[in-house]
Amino acid sequence: SQTIHQWPATLVQPVGSPLSLECTVEGTSNPNLYWYRQAAGRGLQLLFYSVGIGQISSEVPQNLSASRPQDRQFILSSKKLLLSDSGFYLCAWSGLAGRNEQFFGPGTRLTVL
Amino acid sequence: AQSVSQHNHHVILSEAASLELGCNYSYGGTVNLFWYVQYPGQHLQLLLKYFSGDPLVKGIKGFEAEFIKSKFSFNLRKPSVQWSDTAEYFCALKGGDMRFGAGTRLTVKP
Repeated sequence: SQTIHQWPATLVQPVGSPLSLECTVEGTSNPNLYWYRQAAGRGLQLLFYSVGIGQISSEVPQNLSASRPQDRQFILSSKKLLLSDSGFYLCAWSGLAGRNEQFFGPGTRLTVL
Repeated sequence: AQSVSQHNHHVILSEAASLELGCNYSYGGTVNLFWYVQYPGQHLQLLLKYFSGDPLVKGIKGFEAEFIKSKFSFNLRKPSVQWSDTAEYFCALKGGDMRFGAGTRLTVKP
């Protein structure tokens, strides 16, 4: 069966520091991968998605970037965090063929101070 | 452009009450529709989905949703809620991309 992992689960970082959040998927090959930010009362905002290694699409302009160095690894990064980057970040995957439901990881709670 | 609207931000019910959460979407093409649930402290998980066929879709834990194309709606229902249904519920649309609604927080009082 497929599983999706995210770490760390929580993170507190000072403004201006770098960020690296990791997401890995097990039990599937060549998944579509997604990064979302979840804000209270605002649902899930898609930040990035990837259909393959090295292929990243950005949905909104922002202080963050994403990379996919391996088939089942998706990384969310920032060179200098802003206060507004605080939030709950979710990684998700979906299969290429057939249905398009997405499966979500446990999330990372990021607090920028 | 595609969008999803969930009009109820917070719903409070007593146990055994009936539930209906509204979801309306905007998209001109063929849609796939989903309801996800996020229990406190847990992953977002799929509750049910509609792709085609019977517009009344049954999901896990006694939930169902009805796709009404003429109303662009996909409302979630449960005839009798339990305290354990307390969670946040998200409607989602897959047209071109995946779009999520803002979510509805459901509180069920014992």
